[in-house]
Amino acid sequence: DSGVTQTPKHLITATGQRVTLRCSPRSGDLSVYWYQQSLDQGLQFLIQYYNGEERAKGNILERFSAQQFPDLHSELNLSSLELGDSALYFCASSPGGSSYEQYFGPGTRLTVT
Amino acid sequence: AQKITQTQPGMFVQEKEAVTLDCTYDTSDPSYGLFWYKQPSSGEMIFLIYQGSYDQQNATEGRYSLNFQKARKSANLVISASQLGDSAMYFCAMKGFGNEKLTFGTGTRLTIIP
Repeated sequence: DSGVTQTPKHLITATGQRVTLRCSPRSGDLSVYWYQQSLDQGLQFLIQYYNGEERAKGNILERFSAQQFPDLHSELNLSSLELGDSALYFCASSPGGSSYEQYFGPGTRLTVT
Repeated sequence: AQKITQTQPGMFVQEKEAVTLDCTYDTSDPSYGLFWYKQPSSGEMIFLIYQGSYDQQNATEGRYSLNFQKARKSANLVISASQLGDSAMYFCAMKGFGNEKLTFGTGTRLTIIP
């Protein structure tokens, strides 16, 4: 158990809908990262928050947004969903800083039908 | 930009044998970190081992060791005395210092044969 929690574990929804994925980092970790794992794109970095502020952005679509709250949990919002958004979405956390490993949550498997 | 290459899509290894999973990387950053993660069929990503580019010694964590050859830009994972529970996907990843995102390779699917 990495100490990072993600809910829900599975999510099935229809095209055009909006969903929210939730992540709670390990105790004491200030940085939260979101990654997408799909069959065609592999594991890709989406976005990072550090202590409530956006710190880095990767290949995140404009239809996707995220935030980190004062209690350090984070939410990833996916809207106008398309079939191609079906993937495993991971949240990871670290204390922050480049030398620290990132601990991953169990992931949320999103299926868009 | 950083790039990770894992050239072995799949490997089959006899139980109790040692196994080496290959990873080469490319970066222009003067300092960086290299990581290995394990992803079992259940889907979670498990951190295994970390190597900093300026670390003098190769990293070890139990049965895992990282064979770091900086001049060759390689960071191979060695698993000693493989077990059935080692069957999983293994991902090599890196990040440059000052850039906290992880860049992953395509992974190697390791199957341990009894």
